[in-house]
Amino acid sequence: AQSVTQLGSHVSVSEGALVLLRCNYSSSVPPYLFWYVQYPNQGLQLLLKYTSAATLVKGINGFEAEFKKSETSFHLTKPSAHMSDAAEYFCAVSDVRTGTASKLTFGTGTRLQVTL
Amino acid sequence: NAGVTQTPKFRVLKTGQSMTLLCAQDMNHEYMYWYRQDPGMGLRLIHYSVGEGTTAKGEVPDGYNVSRLKKQNFLLGLESAAPSQTSVYFCASSYGLNGNTIYFGEGSWLTVV
Repeated sequence: AQSVTQLGSHVSVSEGALVLLRCNYSSSVPPYLFWYVQYPNQGLQLLLKYTSAATLVKGINGFEAEFKKSETSFHLTKPSAHMSDAAEYFCAVSDVRTGTASKLTFGTGTRLQVTL
Repeated sequence: NAGVTQTPKFRVLKTGQSMTLLCAQDMNHEYMYWYRQDPGMGLRLIHYSVGEGTTAKGEVPDGYNVSRLKKQNFLLGLESAAPSQTSVYFCASSYGLNGNTIYFGEGSWLTVV
């Protein structure tokens, strides 16, 4: 069974500092991987996804993530944090077996706090 | 474009009561999903549907039923609500199979007392 582990339930950075949110996956085959962001009292919005094309994936709002098969990781980064980045971030993995629905398995989330 | 719309947004139920959450999507998506979100547990799949008239169990289906009578709608029912079903419920939809982007609604906050 596939699973996702997000290291750190809370991360705090200063405005302008590097953002690094960690995600490791467990899967018998290279999966599809996603990062979603959730702002307070809202639904989830897709930041970026990896579907076996380029290993470095660029998303919205200046975020990017790199798929590293050897490390089974898909960490999310942003060079310079902005106050508006404060939110909860979820890493998710999807089954790649042909013909299956896009059922996502989510990590437990990382709440990003951005301070002045 | 409304995307994925959930009703109601907030509801308080007494233990044993029943209710239905309605999800509607206007993107002509084949696949629809119901997730629940609980603190420290991320989102967990309750049930999903791969097309009109079909449903399947997800990770945590017990205590819930679903129906997909129309392609654009996916209903989640609680026949006899329990306090353990206090949660935030998210409906989602996607166009195609695995790898396609899943679009989420804004959530329905349910409290069972």
